[in-house]
Amino acid sequence: GENVEQHPSTLSVQEGDSAVIKCTYSDSASNYFPWYKQELGKRPQLIIDIRSNVGEKKDQRIAVTLNKTAKHFSLHITETQPEDSAVYFCAASQRDDKIIFGKGTRLHILP
Amino acid sequence: DTAVSQTPKYLVTQMGNDKSIKCEQNLGHDTMYWYKQDSKKFLKIMFSYNNKELIINETVPNRFSPKSPDKAHLNLHINSLELGDSAVYFCASSLTQRDNARFFGPGTRLTVL
Repeated sequence: GENVEQHPSTLSVQEGDSAVIKCTYSDSASNYFPWYKQELGKRPQLIIDIRSNVGEKKDQRIAVTLNKTAKHFSLHITETQPEDSAVYFCAASQRDDKIIFGKGTRLHILP
Repeated sequence: DTAVSQTPKYLVTQMGNDKSIKCEQNLGHDTMYWYKQDSKKFLKIMFSYNNKELIINETVPNRFSPKSPDKAHLNLHINSLELGDSAVYFCASSLTQRDNARFFGPGTRLTVL
């Protein structure tokens, strides 16, 4: 089955700097790659997603890139702000009804 | 408010007890899920229902029994609670079985003493 690895597990960046979180997946049949943000004590919420027919997608300060050959995808957050502090999960889906999540990255934005 | 809601938000109980968590979505979605998030924040699928029918059961102990009276509700009953069941349980829904975007409920923090 699919296996999703996510790095780093914890990331601290200075406010205003960029943050990058990387994930790899094992099954080349995976075709959908969402990213979820979970603030402390809150529910996970979808922030951006990308399908395998696209190499990059951007939404304001966040962007996701996908390298199908290498089977890895990344989340980029630019001009980080305090409200970006949260746990971020990548995920991969090879079947439309099953999503495999990475283990999460705890992002700290330092003042 | 259109959303996925679940009750209770917190549940503290003794080992061996039986408890239920309720979930409702008013988004008109066809597919609902239960996820377990352990203390290390790992999110793992437990069950998936599409239009009241079970489609995923991820080798969850049979002490856990989901019930879907209609496509807007997916409840989770847990028998003979164990210490290892302590976690946050999230209900979620998606528009269809083929739609990947998950809408999560607020979570139920279960503590087994």
